[in-house]
Amino acid sequence: AQSVAQPEDQVNVAEGNPLTVKCTYSVSGNPYLFWYVQYPNRGLQFLLKYITGDNLVKGSYGFEAEFNKSQTSFHLKKPSALVSDSALYFCAVRDKTNQAGTALIFGKGTTLSVSS
Amino acid sequence: ETGVTQSPTHLIKTRGQQVTLRCSSQSGHNTVSWYQQALGQGPQFIFQYYREEENGRGNFPPRFSGLQFPNYSSELNVNALELDDSALYLCASSSAGTDTQYFGPGTRLTVL
Repeated sequence: AQSVAQPEDQVNVAEGNPLTVKCTYSVSGNPYLFWYVQYPNRGLQFLLKYITGDNLVKGSYGFEAEFNKSQTSFHLKKPSALVSDSALYFCAVRDKTNQAGTALIFGKGTTLSVSS
Repeated sequence: ETGVTQSPTHLIKTRGQQVTLRCSSQSGHNTVSWYQQALGQGPQFIFQYYREEENGRGNFPPRFSGLQFPNYSSELNVNALELDDSALYLCASSSAGTDTQYFGPGTRLTVL
């Protein structure tokens, strides 16, 4: 079965330090991977995606993610965290078994807390 | 460019009632997907609409149904509400053939 795992419920980091939010996936074939961010009482905002090509993907707000096929991971990173980055982050993979071409399977989410 | 909008923002219903949630897709997007996000969980795919027809469905019972209109807006209908239907319902739009979905702010449904 296809799935996404975010092993950390919460990540705490000091402002200015690098941050990593972890994601692993299980899917047959080549994965289509996404990161979204959710602020309180808001919908999900698209950050970045990996479809094919360079394993390092750059996205919005200075975020990037590294696709690692051998480790089946797609960790989200940022070189220098901001307090305003504090939010709930979701990793997702396209569900290749669903007739709907773009149905996504989401992880449970990781709360990022950046302290000043 | 107008983003995805949803109405209402909040809704309170009683068990057994029916509810209709509405979504307007982002300008230029012809595909709409609906997701249910229970408290503390990631969103779960309900179904997708393209060309006014259901184009794929997740693991949700038939009492969850939808519509898509010629202007690509969409409705999610839930009959015979249960307490477990309490959740944030998210609508996402995309263009056919593209991979990225853009989400609306959601409708918070509370079933008492």
